Amino acid sequence: GAVVSQHPSWVICKSGTSVKIECRSLDFQATTMFWYRQFPKQSLMLMATSNEGSKATYEQGVEKDKFLINHASLTLSTLTVTSAHPEDSSFYICSARVRPGMGSPLHFGNGTRLTVT
Amino acid sequence: TQLLEQSPQFLSIQEGENLTVYCNSSSVFSSLQWYRQEPGEGPVLLVTVVTGGEVKKLKRLTFQFGDARKDSSLHITAAQPGDTGLYLCAGVVIGNQFYFGTGTSLTVIP
Repeated sequence: GAVVSQHPSWVICKSGTSVKIECRSLDFQATTMFWYRQFPKQSLMLMATSNEGSKATYEQGVEKDKFLINHASLTLSTLTVTSAHPEDSSFYICSARVRPGMGSPLHFGNGTRLTVT
Repeated sequence: TQLLEQSPQFLSIQEGENLTVYCNSSSVFSSLQWYRQEPGEGPVLLVTVVTGGEVKKLKRLTFQFGDARKDSSLHITAAQPGDTGLYLCAGVVIGNQFYFGTGTSLTVIP
């Protein structure tokens, strides 16, 4: 089955530093990837849609200058949390679809636990 | 506002009991999916339902899509500790936009 790899699985950083999270589709090409944020025992909050070769589409309320997304190839999207603060601590998850179209499921990475001290 | 409301939000039951999780909306979906997520991991797809009234079974799990394609339910028979996790429904609308439900956190006590 389709595999989405996310790295790192966890990261601890100091306030004011930047952190990069990678999301790779290992056995398929993904023109579109999605980035989510999740709080404990809560649902996924879509942050942005990452489009290969073009600018990401951000959801309302998500600061694009703080959460930089780059989708430079058909198998890699990165999310950079810039000037991280403790309130950015969360679980970040990426997903991708093997193919577009109705009903095509999302394949998720295993998430990245970010802790900002 | 959340497009898809799930109930209950939290559920703690004894091993062997049955349970039903509901996913409701006022919107019509072209398809609906159920995912299960374990702590520290990404969600994993359980099933996709496409046709109104459709029922799918996955071992002890039974999924139903409402006739009007606005709601869905997940029924688990004889729950086991391995069923513990966060259950998420996700509706797909025209344009392939996904909307996730509010989530149901299930704990099955041995």
